[in-house]
Amino acid sequence: EAQVTQNPRYLITVTGKKLTVTCSQNMNHEYMSWYRQDPGLGLRQIYYSMNVEVTDKGDVPEGYKVSRKEKRNFPLILESPSPNQTSLYFCASSPRTSGSHGEQYFGPGTRLTVT
Amino acid sequence: EDQVTQSPEALRLQEGESSSLNCSYTVSGLRGLFWYRQDPGKGPEFLFTLYSAGEEKEKERLKATLTKKESFLHITAPKPEDSATYLCAVQAAGNQFYFGTGTSLTVIP
Repeated sequence: EAQVTQNPRYLITVTGKKLTVTCSQNMNHEYMSWYRQDPGLGLRQIYYSMNVEVTDKGDVPEGYKVSRKEKRNFPLILESPSPNQTSLYFCASSPRTSGSHGEQYFGPGTRLTVT
Repeated sequence: EDQVTQSPEALRLQEGESSSLNCSYTVSGLRGLFWYRQDPGKGPEFLFTLYSAGEEKEKERLKATLTKKESFLHITAPKPEDSATYLCAVQAAGNQFYFGTGTSLTVIP
């Protein structure tokens, strides 16, 4: 089944404890992206990647890192999480190789709580 | 500043009662406008892409249209299973995406 998977689905952690949220897609998509979703603010793009070893900042990249060493994986790293990073996180990928990448397939989400 | 605004925030319809959701945008160099559906506890599901003013796309009871400043998602004779949050997004001149905060649609049997 074609899908985007995220792990973990739920995570409670403490301020400053480094964590990684994994994202994997089995559709051979070049474009991948991370978003956070907060009430009243909607979905905001954190980072995106056009292809392996190519990453770029979205609208809210502060406090996050990403890497793209393989086409299928795009992990999100929080090196020193803070309570304001408590949110619902989504990973997405797109089959488009040029032009618009708006046809995106989203993962199930990771709910992160930082205390 | 690139921005997407959706209205209304919430909409309750009787089954069969048609209506429209609005998405207005200000963006430098629109590369595309997109509609998604999001069910509670799930990731958004892609519905439509619109590229230029005057373009229309249809899927079952949904029809999306685009002008130079806004897009509408028309829902004809909705059913309870159409209840969801509908999200609008734009891609600006770069590769960044901007989403609206969504319209929560409830269709009452």
